[in-house]
Amino acid sequence: GAVVSQHPSRVICKSGTSVKIECRSLDFQATTMFWYRQFPKKSLMLMATSNEGSKATYEQGVEKDKFLINHASLTLSTLTVTSAHPEDSSFYICSARGLARDYEQYFGPGTRLTVT
Amino acid sequence: GQNIDQPTEMTATEGAIVQINCTYQTSGFNGLFWYQQHAGEAPTFLSYNVLDGLEEKGRFSSFLSRSKGYSYLLLKELQMKDSASYLCAASDSNYQLIWGAGTKLIIKP
Repeated sequence: GAVVSQHPSRVICKSGTSVKIECRSLDFQATTMFWYRQFPKKSLMLMATSNEGSKATYEQGVEKDKFLINHASLTLSTLTVTSAHPEDSSFYICSARGLARDYEQYFGPGTRLTVT
Repeated sequence: GQNIDQPTEMTATEGAIVQINCTYQTSGFNGLFWYQQHAGEAPTFLSYNVLDGLEEKGRFSSFLSRSKGYSYLLLKELQMKDSASYLCAASDSNYQLIWGAGTKLIIKP
């Protein structure tokens, strides 16, 4: 099956610093990648959709200058949380959708971000 | 608007059967997904239905009625490890997933 990796799995950073999270599709080309965040005991909240080589489409209420998304290749997308604050602490999950599999999203294992 | 409804929480007994329902309203429809998510982990794919009817996969089955905007996930021979949240998601005309809030399933011995 399709595998998506995410790095790091856990990160603790100080308030005001930036954190980069990588999402990689290991055995398929991901034309579209999705970034979600999830608060405890809540469902997934889509933050943005990124297509390879183009700008990400952000959901309403998500600050594009704070959550920088880059989808530079068909196997890599990055999410950078800039000037992180404690309220940015959350579980961030990426998913990828391939060219051939135009319906299923494969999820990465998630990144637990804690901002102190 | 687009909307997915599923129960917040359900409780069942080990060895029994449980059915988790989901109703959806989307702009266009390209299929209905069920995902399982254990606490602190990412969702894992369980099933996909795009045509009416029942899809069986081991202990898990998923049903879809497009005319009713309705799906259910059926779990048989429940095991303690099935305790998790079950997320229903409908794919809209742009193949975007519209997510339900998830159903927390509690399995009791």
